[in-house]
Amino acid sequence: DAGITQSPRHKVTETGTPVTLRCHQTENHRYMYWYRQDPGHGLRLIHYSYGVKDTDKGEVSDGYSVSRSKTEDFLLTLESATSSQTSVYFCAISEPGTGQETQYFGPGTRLLVL
Amino acid sequence: AQRVTQPEKLLSVFKGAPVELKCNYSYSGSPELFWYVQYSRQRLQLLLRHISRESIKGFTADLNKGETSFHLKKPFAQEEDSAMYYCALRTDTGRRALTFGSGTRLQVQP
Repeated sequence: DAGITQSPRHKVTETGTPVTLRCHQTENHRYMYWYRQDPGHGLRLIHYSYGVKDTDKGEVSDGYSVSRSKTEDFLLTLESATSSQTSVYFCAISEPGTGQETQYFGPGTRLLVL
Repeated sequence: AQRVTQPEKLLSVFKGAPVELKCNYSYSGSPELFWYVQYSRQRLQLLLRHISRESIKGFTADLNKGETSFHLKKPFAQEEDSAMYYCALRTDTGRRALTFGSGTRLQVQP
């Protein structure tokens, strides 16, 4: 499973509290991504990183921030969680320039905001 | 901006029947197209990509640039094919992220 783990795997929190999700990889891939999965929308890109300290926004970045201080870790923070952020969050990694570049996904984190 | 459309939310077939999951895209450049599969509550796995032209688990998909389609086909469905299928596109620009369709749930009945 491409050496990608996510923590926590499940979380229940209350509206207005901060939440941080962690993605950890052991593949030394340069690119890392955060997507959210919602019924009827498929997966939508929140933020991505193309190197340590290099990040950029995706289509649904409002209310989220990210940080990448090490190659292996990519953190997603919900500064003040809202019910609309209840979702399944997937991390992914890829290494461009490898011919058949493949995006590998983590197991997901189920977040419920009450 | 690019877009991927999967018109069917649910496709239900009987075991042994042919399957075609539709995917259409809009993008003005030269995209890479992928199919990902997600079995119940598991992570997404790459099923196939258009540049490989390979067959995985009996599935094939051909990129039709004229019709901007990348339909997924299998001649004889198996019960273990029941899953969520996502079509995805990667553009030929610097950003490496994927744009996903909304997904089609395939249900193969015995």
